[in-house]
Amino acid sequence: KNQVEQSPQSLIILEGKNCTLQCNYTVSPFSNLRWYKQDTGRGPVSLTIMTFSENTKSNGRYTATLDADTKQSSLHITASQLSDSASYICVVRGAGAAGNKLTFGGGTRVLVKP
Amino acid sequence: NAGVTQTPKFQVLKTGQSMTLQCAQDMNHEYMSWYRQDPGMGLRLIHYSVGAGITDQGEVPNGYNVSRSTTEDFPLRLLSAAPSQTSVYFCASSWGQGDGSPLHFGNGTRLTVT
Repeated sequence: KNQVEQSPQSLIILEGKNCTLQCNYTVSPFSNLRWYKQDTGRGPVSLTIMTFSENTKSNGRYTATLDADTKQSSLHITASQLSDSASYICVVRGAGAAGNKLTFGGGTRVLVKP
Repeated sequence: NAGVTQTPKFQVLKTGQSMTLQCAQDMNHEYMSWYRQDPGMGLRLIHYSVGAGITDQGEVPNGYNVSRSTTEDFPLRLLSAAPSQTSVYFCASSWGQGDGSPLHFGNGTRLTVT
């Protein structure tokens, strides 16, 4: 069964510090990997989309990396701000034999404290 | 630009009641979908549509119906509510199902079934 596992489940960081979120997946083959940010009480918002051939993509202070060989992705938040407090969701789109569907991770909840 | 609009934001139902969750988008997206989000689990696809008049089942379709009479609207009907349907429901749209097309989510409907 295709799975997307995220770690840690939650973390607390101080404002201004950096942090890295992890995403491991078993979806194979896959066509792209996405990161979404979900503020409390709101719907997810797209941060980055990477195809299987891309290694890194940035969106402001957010940088996503992808290692298709080890089936791992990470999302790095630089110089965190209070507004970064949210859940971050990793999503993998399958391809070919894996089916053209999205598999969602359970998310990492980030709390940024002043 | 309103994006994806969901109504109502909150709803409480008694077991056995029926209701319709509304979803409308103003981006002329062909693809629309419904997800449910439960604590500790990734978003799960209920039903989706690739265009007006075309719908299909997702991962967890039982107990739900959809129709797509226009490009803009994609309502989700609960036929006979059960406590297991207590969840947060998200509607999403995108240009297509293919690569590079991020999902645009509404802000959700929080449903409680007693």
